[in-house]
Amino acid sequence: AAGVIQSPRHLIKEKRETATLKCYPIPRHDTVYWYQQGPGQDPQFLISFYEKMQSDKGSIPDRFSAQQFSDYHSELNMSSLELGDSALYFCASRLAERYEQYFGPGTRLTVT
Amino acid sequence: QKEVEQNSGPLSVPEGAIASLNCTYSDRGSQSFFWYRQYSGKSPELIMSIYSNGDKEDGRFTAQLNKASQYVSLLIRDSQPSDSATYLCAVNFHAGGTSYGKLTFGQGTILTVHP
Repeated sequence: AAGVIQSPRHLIKEKRETATLKCYPIPRHDTVYWYQQGPGQDPQFLISFYEKMQSDKGSIPDRFSAQQFSDYHSELNMSSLELGDSALYFCASRLAERYEQYFGPGTRLTVT
Repeated sequence: QKEVEQNSGPLSVPEGAIASLNCTYSDRGSQSFFWYRQYSGKSPELIMSIYSNGDKEDGRFTAQLNKASQYVSLLIRDSQPSDSATYLCAVNFHAGGTSYGKLTFGQGTILTVHP
């Protein structure tokens, strides 16, 4: 079965640079979530989209923005990167009429 | 206090034993409950979902939900070394009748199954 695809899988950036993370949901899934997981931490919700509209917002810094496109893929844009942004970033998708979320493999972002 | 609480462990059980993982949550309006398994450096993998009081079984896994006690648990029967991972309890809180589906996670329980 098709799963959530994320790219890139690994990303190394320097402080103050920008990064763009991409997420391709499971086919027919219309809702996308972004989570951030720091070392030894549980995943923290950042932002979500349903039918290309932002549906909810969590602890996402103002330096970050995201959108969902007409093909339902989503991009997380991160600017003015800080050392503390180093983490695993997961995208999850679901069908709106179901509650189960399925996670992608994640992007490991390292800021040096 | 976290909204979702788990014993961080580590929980160590011998191969073939039953592993019992517990989770409590603070919001009585919560409607959807999930258990995810996460291997080190990998993504969370959904293993169980439960929405109503009682037990739900799937293979070696049984999820139990008690909304009155705000408690959800996961039992793993015939534990195998490959079950060694961090188990995350996740809850979907419904605020004012509206749910956009974001998950709130517990801090995870580290399970070790030793041969």
